[in-house]
Amino acid sequence: DVKVTQSSRYLVKRTGEKVFLECVQDMDHENMFWYRQDPGLGLRLIYFSYDVKMKEKGDIPEGYSVSREKKERFSLILESASTNQTSMYLCASSSDRAFGNTEAFFGQGTRLTVV
Amino acid sequence: AQSVSQHNHHVILSEAASLELGCNYSYGGTVNLFWYVQYPGQHLQLLLKYFSGDPLVKGIKGFEAEFIKSKFSFNLRKPSVQWSDTAEYFCAVNANPGGYQKVTFGTGTKLQVIP
Repeated sequence: DVKVTQSSRYLVKRTGEKVFLECVQDMDHENMFWYRQDPGLGLRLIYFSYDVKMKEKGDIPEGYSVSREKKERFSLILESASTNQTSMYLCASSSDRAFGNTEAFFGQGTRLTVV
Repeated sequence: AQSVSQHNHHVILSEAASLELGCNYSYGGTVNLFWYVQYPGQHLQLLLKYFSGDPLVKGIKGFEAEFIKSKFSFNLRKPSVQWSDTAEYFCAVNANPGGYQKVTFGTGTKLQVIP
């Protein structure tokens, strides 16, 4: 069974903290993605990576950065967490760069609360 | 830029009722279309997809969707819903199949099925 695993289901962090969200996939996919999911807004792409050490901005990259040092791992970094970054964060991986030609596999999500 | 509209934000049905969830997109060319589902507490997963061929697509758990090019629509249907269909449903569109173009998600429809 294919798997995308996010390290935490729930996180509570303080404003200004540096936050790391980790994602690991076991499907040997080249392409990995970070989305945030907010009620009424659906899924919005933050960053994606199509190869180790490669990254590209999505629709809402401000306030975020990413790291892809190994093929199976894709980290989302909130440099200085703010309350408007309280959200559900979803990691996904795909064999296709934009997964528009195949499906994406999602992790269970990390619900981050910034207080 | 491509956009995806899901007009029903929250739908409540009784068991055995028929379901139709609307999805419209804004791109005029060739598209790949998806429906993803997120059951409570679970990860987002692919329900069905349309790339080409028969515009009536069958997915898992008795769901189907019809691609109507003239209406820019890809509505999801199920003849008789079950309590276990309670979930959030997302339509997604890729407007440059075969190329490099990110997938755009709709804002989601929450379906609540009452026993």
